[in-house]
Amino acid sequence: EPEVTQTPSHQVTQMGQEVILRCVPISNHLYFYWYRQILGQKVEFLVSFYNNEISEKSEIFDDQFSVERPDGSNFTLKIRSTKLEDSAMYFCASSEWEGKETQYFGPGTRLLVL
Amino acid sequence: AQKVTQAQTEISVVEKEDVTLDCVYETRDTTYYLFWYKQPPSGELVFLIRRNSFDEQNEISGRYSWNFQKSTSSFNFTITASQVVDSAVYFCALGGSNYKLTFGKGTLLTVNP
Repeated sequence: EPEVTQTPSHQVTQMGQEVILRCVPISNHLYFYWYRQILGQKVEFLVSFYNNEISEKSEIFDDQFSVERPDGSNFTLKIRSTKLEDSAMYFCASSEWEGKETQYFGPGTRLLVL
Repeated sequence: AQKVTQAQTEISVVEKEDVTLDCVYETRDTTYYLFWYKQPPSGELVFLIRRNSFDEQNEISGRYSWNFQKSTSSFNFTITASQVVDSAVYFCALGGSNYKLTFGKGTLLTVNP
């Protein structure tokens, strides 16, 4: 069964460093998302992406964040200058159609900012 | 604005007991979608079920059943004859006219042997 994959599974970085989280969505899906989950808290929406454009973003998704689909398979989330509060699990998701459709999640990348 | 409330923070049961997880939602959308996801200790989010707002038919799938009541804005989830492997955090989520899911805070279910 097709699934969303994410790399790396864990990343440790120093405050102020740039990180890039990578995702490979399900191949026939057209909509892509990033969510984050601070330890012990609920899953929060960051951004949705369709047709090489951001469809919607939350207030969390400030200028330090960017997303890109550099090729036909990868979908990346970049954090330019990480802060301690960026430590969280980051989930990528994809859906076949627009946001009402079922979103399938990847296994997540656990980011720790020191 | 959309909101999902899972009032039960933690539930602990003994194996083979039935357990119901509650979810109440708020939305102004006339068409919306409700989901349950399971997050086992390993951390991934596993899709369990999706329900459309225009389909109030309840469903049973094996040991899982769902009760969608539009009149009370509730979408409850029941596990029959719970097993230790059901231990996880369960999230209710709401999707509407925008491109995002709004999650509840989750319910930690512990099934003890």
